[in-house]
Amino acid sequence: NAGVTQTPKFQVLKTGQSMTLQCAQDMNHNSMYWYRQDPGMGLRLIYYSASEGTTDKGEVPNGYNVSRLNKREFSLRLESAAPSQTSVYFCASPNRDRERNEQFFGPGTRLTVL
Amino acid sequence: SQQGEEDPQALSIQEGENATMNCSYKTSINNLQWYRQNSGRGLVHLILIRSNEREKHSGRLRVTLDTSKKSSSLLITASRAADTASYFCATFGNSGYALNFGKGTSLLVTP
Repeated sequence: NAGVTQTPKFQVLKTGQSMTLQCAQDMNHNSMYWYRQDPGMGLRLIYYSASEGTTDKGEVPNGYNVSRLNKREFSLRLESAAPSQTSVYFCASPNRDRERNEQFFGPGTRLTVL
Repeated sequence: SQQGEEDPQALSIQEGENATMNCSYKTSINNLQWYRQNSGRGLVHLILIRSNEREKHSGRLRVTLDTSKKSSSLLITASRAADTASYFCATFGNSGYALNFGKGTSLLVTP
């Protein structure tokens, strides 16, 4: 099992360009999340999907859109990238099992917007 | 909004010493979790403690939870250089849908 995978690992964009970050999990979890991590800020939730077909805004959704393509895949789209979106983006999927309630994280996408 | 706040922000110790980091949070919780992040990597779950538990152990890790003070501590005993990482506490509220992460403690363990 690969757990949570993300592509790409690195990306450099110019202001105004668009891109989609891909995330997939092979753990058969219902929920998936997108976070961004900035220095000194910890992780902040951008969007989440509690189940296939549903998405909801998190703490910092502005400038982003998401698509829960199927149970495995949850993508994050930047329609018009801005320098403020320079960050490390993590996809995560929680295990809602009764005894364990941990989140599994992908390796991250390091995005720079010039 | 971020609920957990770790203290200290940075900690430097020598191998073999114990490392203690603290976490404070603001609202009622269902459980509290600790995660480790090695440089340039994703977060890895370490341990979860439920709101009705006071202490939990896992290998060299010991976590305590004081819900009256809304605080938790993570103790790593007999630290190793490989423990060098950032450590985050994260809370899951009773009505929450996602974890709220703190800003992390950066731990450096020198040989």
